[in-house]
Amino acid sequence: SQKIEQNSEALNIQEGKTATLTCNYTNYSPAYLQWYRQDPGRGPVFLLLIRENEKEKRKERLKVTFDTTLKQSLFHITASQPADSATYLCALVMNTGFQKLVFGTGTRLLVSP
Amino acid sequence: DSGVTQTPKHLITATGQRVTLRCSPRSGDLSVYWYQQSLDQGLQFLIQYYNGEERAKGNILERFSAQQFPDLHSELNLSSLELGDSALYFCASSARRGGAFFGQGTRLTVV
Repeated sequence: SQKIEQNSEALNIQEGKTATLTCNYTNYSPAYLQWYRQDPGRGPVFLLLIRENEKEKRKERLKVTFDTTLKQSLFHITASQPADSATYLCALVMNTGFQKLVFGTGTRLLVSP
Repeated sequence: DSGVTQTPKHLITATGQRVTLRCSPRSGDLSVYWYQQSLDQGLQFLIQYYNGEERAKGNILERFSAQQFPDLHSELNLSSLELGDSALYFCASSARRGGAFFGQGTRLTVV
């Protein structure tokens, strides 16, 4: 069956450290992968997109890697801040041409001062 | 502000009733998605439209239906409502290739 797996346990880190979140998938062949941030009761906010032929993408303190052989993406937040505390979702975009978008369950990140 | 507008923000209704949720996508976006998010659950993909045509279907119940109109706004119709349908319903829109932009959601409470 098709699965998108993110660590269901919350990730607790100290301010200033690097947070690393994992997204693994099975039985999908995504054209690209996206990461979103969601705060409680709010809609997800798009952060980054990485294509299947890209290994790494950066945006300010964010870095995403995409390994289509391992079927895994890693999402890094460097110099983390308490304001980064939220749930982070990965989403796969299928190579259908019309961008079917399927989300993982998300990992909650808690950054303590 | 994502540019995606959902109405109403809150809806309280009784079991067995029917409701309509409305979504206006970002200007120029042709794709509209609907998702359901129950308490502490992930985003469940319901359905996607592209330029007025249904393109993908997820775990959408037969009691639910949707459509996208020529002006690209979309409506999600939920009928014969049950207590378990209480959830946040999100609409998102995107350009053909790019990130999806979500509305603030409609919180549906079925009593």
